[in-house]
Amino acid sequence: AQSVTQLDSHVSVSEGTPVLLRCNYSSSYSPSLFWYVQHPNKGLQLLLKYTSAATLVKGINGFEAEFKKSETSFHLTKPSAHMSDAAEYFCVVSDLGGSQGNLIFGKGTKLSVKP
Amino acid sequence: DAGVIQSPRHEVTEMGQEVTLRCKPISGHDYLFWYRQTMMRGLELLIYFNNNVPIDDSGMPEDRFSAKMPNASFSTLKIQPSEPRDSAVYFCASSLGASGTEAFFGQGTRLTVV
Repeated sequence: AQSVTQLDSHVSVSEGTPVLLRCNYSSSYSPSLFWYVQHPNKGLQLLLKYTSAATLVKGINGFEAEFKKSETSFHLTKPSAHMSDAAEYFCVVSDLGGSQGNLIFGKGTKLSVKP
Repeated sequence: DAGVIQSPRHEVTEMGQEVTLRCKPISGHDYLFWYRQTMMRGLELLIYFNNNVPIDDSGMPEDRFSAKMPNASFSTLKIQPSEPRDSAVYFCASSLGASGTEAFFGQGTRLTVV
């Protein structure tokens, strides 16, 4: 069965400092992995996705994530946080060999950015 | 394309009333998902359709909840009768193709049952 664990429910950083949001997954098959962002009172927007191509994936707004199979991790990073990055971030797994079209969401990590 | 369109954006209803949430997916997408988001339980998949056919409704909490997709451009999620614990934000999403593809989300419907 697929699952995804976001290790931190809340992360707080200062503007201009690096961001690290951690995600571990379990999957019976070759997974597809995504990061979505949700700003307050908005829907979810895709940041980036991994689908068995390059292990380092670049997304929008300067975010990137690295797929590490040995560690079953897909951590999201950004070199320098901006105030507009304050939002909730969801790590998502989808099994290519499993239930078609089924996305499993993590519990979310709320990112706060201090001036 | 205008994206996934949900209506209404906000709904306040009294306990026991029927509530119908609506969703128009992106044209051409063959998967449609209904999610519920609460503070306590996070984002939960309720049901999803492929080519208008329900594939997995194991996330539907109980018989008070039902979902239909009469055609490729419209889906409804109905709660009858509604209860205060149904208060949540309900998201509809659609995608093209199988797993590994991006899901596009609507803005959500914030439901409050009093």
